[in-house]
Formats: sequence, C-alpha cells, structure tokens
Amino acid sequence: DGGITQSPKYLFRKEGQNVTLSCEQNLNHDAMYWYRQDPGQGLRLIYYSQIVNDFQKGDIAEGYSVSREKKESFPLTVTSAQKNPTAFYLCASSIWGSLNNEQFFGPGTRLTVL
Amino acid sequence: GNSVTQMEGPVTLSEEAFLTINCTYTATGYPSLFWYVQYPGEGLQLLLKATKADDKGSNKGFEATYRKETTSFHLEKGSVQVSDSAVYFCAATYNNNDMRFGAGTRLTVKP
Repeated sequence: DGGITQSPKYLFRKEGQNVTLSCEQNLNHDAMYWYRQDPGQGLRLIYYSQIVNDFQKGDIAEGYSVSREKKESFPLTVTSAQKNPTAFYLCASSIWGSLNNEQFFGPGTRLTVL
Repeated sequence: GNSVTQMEGPVTLSEEAFLTINCTYTATGYPSLFWYVQYPGEGLQLLLKATKADDKGSNKGFEATYRKETTSFHLEKGSVQVSDSAVYFCAATYNNNDMRFGAGTRLTVKP
C-alpha cells in the first residue's frame, strides 16, 4: 500500500530540547510539505520541498528546520527557538507540476512541550 | 495574499438533515479547489475536488460546485449520517506550493 507515515504519533519534549519528527512516503512524489495545525485554525505551511536537496520556507518557518536527503523522507526538527511548539504536525506529499494535484497527508504527530 | 474563508462552526445536525458548509476563496488566477475531511486524531483525507469553473466534485454523497462568479465552493450533502461527524476543510491551490486552507468547520451529527 502506498502512503505517508509519520512517527511518533505522540511526542513529549522538555523546554529547551530539539526534537525531530519523521515523515516517509512511498508514493514516489517529488514534493513534500510540513504543516502545523492549532485548535480552531487551518493548516499553516512550515516548509516545503520540491526536489531532493532543496527546500523552501513557508509562512511560519522560524524555529524549525528540515532536510531532504532522500526523495522518500522529509524530517522536521523543532528547535528550542520555536516559542510555542505544542501543536499537531502534519506531513503531506504531492506530484509537482500542476495545481490540480491534491496533497496526500500522513496521520500526524502531536507534540507537547512539558 | 491568497486566502480561503469558510463558515465557522461548530455545526450540529440531526441524522438525515441537509448540510451546507460555505467556502469562498480569493480570486487570484484560477485555483483548483478541494474539500478535505479530518477525523479525530488523524490526518486530512481528500473528499472531493474541482479544477475549473462550473466543475462539480462529488464523493460519498457530498457535492461542491466551482462557482467563479461568486468565488465559492460550498459543500453540500442531502442527508448526513452520524459517521459524517468530522472537521471539514476547504482548500485552494494557487500554484504548485501554495495550498491555502480554511480554518475548518466541525460537524457533529446526532442520531
């Protein structure tokens, strides 16, 4: 089955610690995305990557970092510089090249800072 | 900038009631339009989409029509079920990377 996996499902972090969220896809999609979801709000784009070894900042990139060393993987690091990191994080992927293409989402990781 | 505005919730309906969730988008270019559904604790699933004016997307009894003249993409279902309880997101893609989401509308259907 093709799809997107995210791990872990729940993550707890102490203040001042960096933490990395995993995202893997086997859909052979070129593009991958990270979103943050807060209660009562829509999704906000953190970073996206069109191709391996390339990525671009989204609307709320401050305090986050990413890498794209493989087509299948797009990990997100939440750094200690992110002032309010408690949220639900969603990874997505899509075919690149047409705005008709929908994004496919993973199940999400809920991060809680203690 | 580009944005999507959808009807605020929560919406509570009785089973078999008619559902409408309003969605409007900013009219920059010709975006593709989508409705996604999110069940508790899960990611988003595509419900339906429309890629040009007057297209109607449909799936699982839900429908939405791309209305260019009113910049709208309202979601409708004739008879909701308890299993339709979820959060619904309207979205528009303005270019390859710029998918904008509405704030989401929580629907609760009571037996």
